[in-house]
Amino acid sequence: ETGVTQTPRHLVMGMTNKKSLKCEQHLGHNAMYWYKQSAKKPLELMFVYNFKEQTENNSVPSRFSPECPNSSHLFLHLHTLQPEDSALYLCASSQVNEGREQYFGPGTRLTVT
Amino acid sequence: AQSVTQLGSHVSVSEGALVLLRCNYSSSVPPYLFWYVQYPNQGLQLLLKYTSAATLVKGINGFEAEFKKSETSFHLTKPSAHMSDAAEYFCAVSSNTGNQFYFGTGTSLTVIP
Repeated sequence: ETGVTQTPRHLVMGMTNKKSLKCEQHLGHNAMYWYKQSAKKPLELMFVYNFKEQTENNSVPSRFSPECPNSSHLFLHLHTLQPEDSALYLCASSQVNEGREQYFGPGTRLTVT
Repeated sequence: AQSVTQLGSHVSVSEGALVLLRCNYSSSVPPYLFWYVQYPNQGLQLLLKYTSAATLVKGINGFEAEFKKSETSFHLTKPSAHMSDAAEYFCAVSSNTGNQFYFGTGTSLTVIP
């Protein structure tokens, strides 16, 4: 695997379910990010992890719970979601202070029913 | 605070015509600027980046962008549009720490045969 991978690519879940999104970066980066991309809306930064430490939480509801066990893996745990949470969830990684560009995974298309 | 504004949420060009996608930034310090492309059901792919080394930046797929400080602009151009260029394009500016990206709202490019 190369770059940033995300699983699953598609997920349909009910409002009472608990599921997790997984992201893995194979680039040796030290920062990872979760974004939400909804139709007709700008990209929303949800969480930032630097060196496994969460440094940003942009007022994200507690039904979204991130986990970063190491610098290569990032999870987004989901529970009791709402239909408006349906979106494309993108993971990205970067090497902080070197070039600064972020590399994105293909995303997980989430549908909450 | 940093931000980017993309003028025109939809742009249509004929195949072979010039592509011009506009981006203006707001930053109190010299910025890092980026253009990303997103094809349907995929993540964002880096097209090019400006890091103050040169004002004219060349990217992949024949795209380039020019940093104009006096106009606070970073417009994306391509001399001759190809059908495969149809996608969503995002301009972004990086924070001073490099941890946060501020994305524009995106411009959807349609290429007419």
